Amino acid sequence: QQPVQSPQAVILREGEDAVINCSSSKALYSVHWYRQKHGEAPVFLMILLKGGEQKGHDKISASFNEKKQQSSLYLTASQLSYSGTYFCGTEITGAGSYQLTFGKGTKLSVIP
Amino acid sequence: GAVVSQHPSRVICKSGTSVKIECRSLDFQATTMFWYRQFPKQSLMLMATSNEGSKATYEQGVEKDKFLINHASLTLSTLTVTSAHPEDSSFYICSARGAAGVNWNEQFFGPGTRLTVL
Repeated sequence: QQPVQSPQAVILREGEDAVINCSSSKALYSVHWYRQKHGEAPVFLMILLKGGEQKGHDKISASFNEKKQQSSLYLTASQLSYSGTYFCGTEITGAGSYQLTFGKGTKLSVIP
Repeated sequence: GAVVSQHPSRVICKSGTSVKIECRSLDFQATTMFWYRQFPKQSLMLMATSNEGSKATYEQGVEKDKFLINHASLTLSTLTVTSAHPEDSSFYICSARGAAGVNWNEQFFGPGTRLTVL
């Protein structure tokens, strides 16, 4: 079942922060975050595994609330290069297939 | 490390012809490869999962006789779109999941193949 992402789109000025949410109705084993620029393949950002972890690098971090089956991606002090569509991919607990189901994406536009 | 390549990056073909897309893991052994299709401004939709040496598992609604997948080795999977029609025009992306040497949780995506059927 496809995870739900919110918001669908967001426009930021350089230096502003944003949060993108991803929620599922299924028990999740992992959440994967990707950024895709127009006409290109998705670029891996990070994985969060069951256990409720938090991760981050540079000014992009994420959290995974296992109980709520939700993950949030935090973008701080946004840069122009952050523009793109962000997808979360979820892996269901017990599926054993390693398959990811992707949300519909959140289009992020960072303007000067 | 963990690079996945796809070939070709772009292909234009006539309706009724078949097109083969290759997906290679360049520096690791991919025990599982996935094929996705993405229409403009939409999400990635999983078409099939393939494990080396076994038949691919297709998602509901994906015609296995039309989209032939072969995962002959641990570094190569191919997707053949048979008798392509304009509605098959899309961005096809593969991803690979490895075992030893890479984070086995992670899926590494290829750069994608843009197929246009005239």
